[in-house]
Amino acid sequence: QLQLQESGPGLVKPSETLSLTCIVSGGSISSSGYYWGWIRQPPGKGLEWIGSFSYSDSSHYSPSLKSRVTISVDTSKSQFSLKVSSVTAADTAVYYCARQPPRKLQAAAGFDYWGQGTLVTVSS
Amino acid sequence: QSALTQPASVSGSPGQSITISCTGTRSDVGGYNYVSWYQQHPGKAPKLMIYDVTSRPSGVSNRFSGSKSGNTASLTISGLQAEDEADYYCSSYTSSSPVVFGGGTKLTVL
Repeated sequence: QLQLQESGPGLVKPSETLSLTCIVSGGSISSSGYYWGWIRQPPGKGLEWIGSFSYSDSSHYSPSLKSRVTISVDTSKSQFSLKVSSVTAADTAVYYCARQPPRKLQAAAGFDYWGQGTLVTVSS
Repeated sequence: QSALTQPASVSGSPGQSITISCTGTRSDVGGYNYVSWYQQHPGKAPKLMIYDVTSRPSGVSNRFSGSKSGNTASLTISGLQAEDEADYYCSSYTSSSPVVFGGGTKLTVL
């Protein structure tokens, strides 16, 4: 059974870089066509897609966050990472990692497996 | 880009059927058959309930069904149960970005 687990600091100072890692177990992160994404949810608010990447295809980022976001992968450790630079209080949220199965259009599928989420607070 | 439009809340009594709408444009919901629906209980991760407009993942009750007409997708829950009380989100592929979510709908079982 595929499992995803987020990890990283729960507190980040304003203007610094938020860094999170998602460890994937029970499946291969390099499987062709699969996308691995990050989604966040500010306290009491809705879901916001951050970006998705595929080992075999290109990466895609939310237009509103693209200038501050990087998603990278370490296949040797079966994990992928998220970096958000120049954070503000508006970046305070629960961050989820999740998987998208292959589709004809890149990153078009729904997210079928999710991590439990990790709360990141931006505060000095 | 703008989130898809969902009603803030819907409610129904046990045993009834309810429908949650998700309205977009020809550039997202209306243009592609890649609409998904998620259920989220408080403090929990979202759970995929419907994908590709009408398909149900293994293990999801057949009381949940999805459909689409024009630029509006819908999630219908029949035989409403107390455990269905949760937040529901739609998402769609878009011409400018692979994923956009709706604002979410709170379902209350009376």
